Amino acid sequence: EAQVTQNPRYLITVTGKKLTVTCSQNMNHEYMSWYRQDPGLGLRQIYYSMNVEVTDKGDVPEGYKVSRKEKRNFPLILESPSPNQTSLYFCASSPHGQDTQYFGPGTRLTVL
Amino acid sequence: AQSVTQLGSHVSVSEGALVLLRCNYSSSVPPYLFWYVQYPNQGLQLLLKYTSAATLVKGINGFEAEFKKSETSFHLTKPSAHMSDAAEYFCAVLNAGNMLTFGGGTRLMVKP
Repeated sequence: EAQVTQNPRYLITVTGKKLTVTCSQNMNHEYMSWYRQDPGLGLRQIYYSMNVEVTDKGDVPEGYKVSRKEKRNFPLILESPSPNQTSLYFCASSPHGQDTQYFGPGTRLTVL
Repeated sequence: AQSVTQLGSHVSVSEGALVLLRCNYSSSVPPYLFWYVQYPNQGLQLLLKYTSAATLVKGINGFEAEFKKSETSFHLTKPSAHMSDAAEYFCAVLNAGNMLTFGGGTRLMVKP
């Protein structure tokens, strides 16, 4: 089944403890992206990647890192999480940038 | 960068009534526009997209949207609401650099 998977789905952590949220797609898509969703703000793009080893900042990149060493994986790294990063995070992929994006099920992160 | 505005964070309709969810975009240049739906505790699913091929776009589940350049609008409609349509709906525009910018979302409630 063609899909975007994220792990973990739920995570509670404390301020400053490094964490990684994984994202993987099995559709051979070139483009991948991370969003965060907050009430009333819709989804805001954190980082995106046009292809392997190519990443770029979205609207809200501060406090996040990404890497794209393989086509299928696009992990989101929070080196020192803070409470304002408590949010619902979505990974998405598409065949190319200007195309429909397919979303993962989301990761609900709480930083205490 | 282009932006989208969704008028009305909450819309309530009766089952069988017309659904109208409003979206306005900021650019004078016809952009790529999308409507996504998010059911409770799920990721986003594409309803329909506009790519300048036709001004009236038909999507899944009986939804359609009309691109109106003179009004810079891309409103989503469905002739007859069903209980299963209760969800949050997001309008989005594709910006340069392949960044997808979302509106704040509209939560649709359907009354029996």
